Amino acid sequence: EPEVTQTPSHQVTQMGQEVILRCVPISNHLYFYWYRQILGQKVEFLVSFYNNEISEKSEIFDDQFSVERPDGSNFTLKIRSTKLEDSAMYFCASISKKVHTGELFFGEGSRLTVL
Amino acid sequence: AQSVSQHNHHVILSEAASLELGCNYSYGGTVNLFWYVQYPGQHLQLLLKYFSGDPLVKGIKGFEAEFIKSKFSFNLRKPSVQWSDTAEYFCAVNGGSQGNLIFGKGTKLSVKP
Repeated sequence: EPEVTQTPSHQVTQMGQEVILRCVPISNHLYFYWYRQILGQKVEFLVSFYNNEISEKSEIFDDQFSVERPDGSNFTLKIRSTKLEDSAMYFCASISKKVHTGELFFGEGSRLTVL
Repeated sequence: AQSVSQHNHHVILSEAASLELGCNYSYGGTVNLFWYVQYPGQHLQLLLKYFSGDPLVKGIKGFEAEFIKSKFSFNLRKPSVQWSDTAEYFCAVNGGSQGNLIFGKGTKLSVKP
C-alpha cells in the first residue's frame, strides 16, 4: 500500500537554527499538507500546497516557515530560525483530491525538539 | 470559525467494555466529518468518515459513528473494545471551501487486558 514517508523521524536542534523536514507524498497525489501537534495539544493545520504554490495557510505559518516541492517528489517544510515553541510533531499529508472529497493520508511524523 | 471539541481527554476501559467518544463541532454549514486513530508510534489513520447520506457510518475494526446534525455531534462508538484499540482518537471536520481539516484535541483510549 502506498504511503507518505517523512524524514527525519526525530531532530534535535538549537534555538535559532534552520530546520528542514522532508516528506515524500504518495506519487499520484496532488494536494499536500503540513500539520503539527505540540505535545498534549491538538493537531493543527499549518499549510496546504497545490500546483506548486501555497493554497492555504494558518496563522501559525508565519514568515519563519516556508514550503517547497523542489524536485517533484519531495515536499519540504523549512523553519528558518527555530524557537522553543516550535518543538512539536510535524505531520505531512497528501490527498489526490481536495480533502472534502476524500481522506488525508498522513506520514508517521517528524518530531522536532528545539533546545 | 470552525472548531471541534472532544470532551474526554483520557478514557480507560477493560476489554469487552463498550466505547463512546464524544465529538462536537461548531459550523453552520455543510460539513464533512472524520475520525482518525493514531496507534502508539504510528501515523494517523482514517477510521471512518461522513460526507452525506446515512448518518450512521461504519468504519474499520468494528467502529461506527453517528452524525446528529441537531446536536452538532459525531460520536464514535464500538460495542466491545479490545486491547489493540489502545490509541489516540481524533475527530476532525472539514467544511465550506476550506481544504484543510480542523482536529479536536484527541482522546487517549487505554484498554486494560
